Amino acid sequence: DAKTTQPPSMDCAEGRAANLPCNHSTISGNEYVYWYRQIHSQGPQYIIHGLKNNETNEMASLIITEDRKSSTLILPHATLRDTAVYYCIVRPMDNYGQNFVFGPGTRLSVLP
Amino acid sequence: DGGITQSPKYLFRKEGQNVTLSCEQNLNHDAMYWYRQDPGQGLRLIYYSQIVNDFQKGDIAEGYSVSREKKESFPLTVTSAQKNPTAFYLCASSIKGLNQPQHFGDGTRLSIL
Repeated sequence: DAKTTQPPSMDCAEGRAANLPCNHSTISGNEYVYWYRQIHSQGPQYIIHGLKNNETNEMASLIITEDRKSSTLILPHATLRDTAVYYCIVRPMDNYGQNFVFGPGTRLSVLP
Repeated sequence: DGGITQSPKYLFRKEGQNVTLSCEQNLNHDAMYWYRQDPGQGLRLIYYSQIVNDFQKGDIAEGYSVSREKKESFPLTVTSAQKNPTAFYLCASSIKGLNQPQHFGDGTRLSIL
């Protein structure tokens, strides 16, 4: 069962903010939203995760709507090296060590 | 540097052969995982282990086996029973606890000769 829905692809101009949306309308109260990205032929890279408050780290910001049914990952100043597939994942907070379900994600192309 | 090391990066298997993929981590993480990724697809869980000497089947365990004799090591054997082994294999690890992200190695690409 797909728990998240993401657009298959997006473009962004270099230096501009990249805003990647994710719908998770069936999210439960105990589920976190995680974001990963995968550059071709490499392993997925953890970016950020959150429950209901907006989160920011050195890589990105995560904005979660008040009803928690959708979120947006923001890369504030996209570079060519941010070209990758971005995955939005929901996962229960009490899920000890079990799998992250990666869907097809959004392929972000940062254009010069 | 701390991290997860997978080897080899590329591996070729003959029909009927078993092959073992290595995964080592020096992050002192308790939990380790193996995923399979097919072209254009997401990741599917093969096996995971939350503690030494214990492991659990994931969604697609048939044709695979694992061991967890040491905390830092979680090798995956692709047996001859796995009829479609060509894929990109990813190992991950995490701290055992609430809301802990998994951190991934750079993968092993397995092909059949």
